[in-house]
Amino acid sequence: NAGVTQTPKFQVLKTGQSMTLQCAQDMNHEYMSWYRQDPGMGLRLIHYSVGAGITDQGEVPNGYNVSRSTTEDFPLRLLSAAPSQTSVYFCASKGGRERDEQFFGPGTRLTVL
Amino acid sequence: DAKTTQPPSMDCAEGRAANLPCNHSTISGNEYVYWYRQIHSQGPQYIIHGLKNNETNEMASLIITEDRKSSTLILPHATLRDTAVYYCIVRVAGNAGNMLTFGGGTRLMVKP
Repeated sequence: NAGVTQTPKFQVLKTGQSMTLQCAQDMNHEYMSWYRQDPGMGLRLIHYSVGAGITDQGEVPNGYNVSRSTTEDFPLRLLSAAPSQTSVYFCASKGGRERDEQFFGPGTRLTVL
Repeated sequence: DAKTTQPPSMDCAEGRAANLPCNHSTISGNEYVYWYRQIHSQGPQYIIHGLKNNETNEMASLIITEDRKSSTLILPHATLRDTAVYYCIVRVAGNAGNMLTFGGGTRLMVKP
């Protein structure tokens, strides 16, 4: 199993550009989520999903959209990038309500100029 | 979810036990204690979790006080590869509405 994969690993955007961060998992996990981590800080939850077709907002959802059309994929869309969105983005998945170990991807390092 | 308090940093000699404390004085009866770590620039990694009994796995041991207001993560023989930020998280098991809430964590430096 590849686990949780994220692409790209690095990205530089200009203010106002849009892009999609990709996340995929091959463990048939129901739950997936997106976090951001600013320098020297802990992770903050952006959006999460408890299954295909179901998404909900986390702590810092503004400026981001998500969708979950398949169990495997959970892309994160930046609608109009801003310098405040410069961060490292982590995708995570877990097996279901009773399985609490979360598996994290390697992260996407995003810089918005 | 209950908040946690951890020291910002700790040092440990290689080969010695690393004992990382966590205070969670407002923990509720149905909340578990979870530990994750984040090695530089990587995604967080699950270590262990428990409710009230002490737990041990291949990575670490978790000691929870009888009143559950604090806990200690023990790495029995720390190696240089254990240098990381360690996060103590308290939450209700299976609560998808708040996946994980990370605080500042403890930066553990294992020294030769």
